Amino acid sequence: DARVTQTPRHKVTEMGQEVTMRCQPILGHNTVFWYRQTMMQGLELLAYFRNRAPLDDSGMPKDRFSAEMPDATLATLKIQPSEPRDSAVYFCASGYRGTDTQYFGPGTRLTVL
Amino acid sequence: KQEVTQIPAALSVPEGENLVLNCSFTDSAIYNLQWFRQDPGKGLTSLLLIQSSQREQTSGRLNASLDKSSGRSTLYIAASQPGDSATYLCAVYGTDKLIFGTGTRLQVFP
Repeated sequence: DARVTQTPRHKVTEMGQEVTMRCQPILGHNTVFWYRQTMMQGLELLAYFRNRAPLDDSGMPKDRFSAEMPDATLATLKIQPSEPRDSAVYFCASGYRGTDTQYFGPGTRLTVL
Repeated sequence: KQEVTQIPAALSVPEGENLVLNCSFTDSAIYNLQWFRQDPGKGLTSLLLIQSSQREQTSGRLNASLDKSSGRSTLYIAASQPGDSATYLCAVYGTDKLIFGTGTRLQVFP
């Protein structure tokens, strides 16, 4: 049963610290998405990759957020420095193409104190 | 800018009822529309995907329709069960990204 995995599942950190979230997409999927979910804003797309190349990161605060795909089996989302307003659930999703069904991971719940 | 709205925001019904969840979008230039389910503390699970050229899709007790010209989709749940309790989100795929609605939180009580 192929699934998207994300680590860590929960992260509590203090303001100013670096946070790294990791995602392993489903093997064979060539498109990876990062989303953020909050009560106020709902689900927002932060960035996405196709064949490991970044296609759109317009949803990310560029000064503190960065997203990479070091290889086809790993995507990372970093926040440095973290701020309380970054507290949210961060989801990774993967698919064959952007227009196809996206498969979501369980999310990383981030709390920045 | 595409905006996706879901009505109602919350719904509580007794088991066995047939339900209709509504989704509307402002820009009809979409590739497809997807319905997802989200359980508390969990990720999203794709339920149905309707291509822009299609009118409806069915899976078990779920039926989703799409009227692109009017910017509307409905998710019909037949014979609801307590296990259907979750948040249901619709999302439209337009210019290179999925835009999500805010969801309908459904509770089905025995």
